[in-house]
Amino acid sequence: AQSVTQLDSHVSVSEGTPVLLRCNYSSSYSPSLFWYVQHPNKGLQLLLKYTSAATLVKGINGFEAEFKKSETSFHLTKPSAHMSDAAEYFCVVRSARQLTFGSGTQLTVLP
Amino acid sequence: EAGVVQSPRYKIIEKKQPVAFWCNPISGHNTLYWYRQNLGQGPELLIRYENEEAVDDSQLPKDRFSAERLKGVDSTLKIQPAELGDSAVYLCASSLAGAETQYFGPGTRLLVL
Repeated sequence: AQSVTQLDSHVSVSEGTPVLLRCNYSSSYSPSLFWYVQHPNKGLQLLLKYTSAATLVKGINGFEAEFKKSETSFHLTKPSAHMSDAAEYFCVVRSARQLTFGSGTQLTVLP
Repeated sequence: EAGVVQSPRYKIIEKKQPVAFWCNPISGHNTLYWYRQNLGQGPELLIRYENEEAVDDSQLPKDRFSAERLKGVDSTLKIQPAELGDSAVYLCASSLAGAETQYFGPGTRLLVL
């Protein structure tokens, strides 16, 4: 069985400050991990993915995530938030060809 | 290249009525998924197709939900009859066979009154 826990349902940051969205996972197999972003009334867009290569993964729009097996974590970071980053973010684990989504973190960026 | 196309984008119906959603995946993508996303939650898989075969429908409520992908390209998801609790966003996604990355459509937002 696999599961994903996003530790914060809402995160609020000021524009230009760092972003940290936290994710912990549980999987019986060696997982593949993803972060997706969902803007209002738009489809889910892949930000980045980890598939057992480098543990630090760089994605689009300046986001990156680090896979830490010892902590079963895959936190998403960005050095400097932009207003356009305001959206909902989902951490996803893939195992046995099935995706399991976290419950999402709503990111608000304040001017 | 066109992404995953879904229609309609919004649907409002009364309970006990039927409703259908349509999805056209990215060209060449053999695998098609239907998800349901309840308010404030992440998407949950309803059914996965490999070409025209439903290979994982364990989460599909078969008493009222049905799906088809007759020619292995576009797909239809149907609910009959709809219940109040079916109000959600229904997402379609596609991928190349065996690929890890899924591409999502914009979804159909269903409201059952």
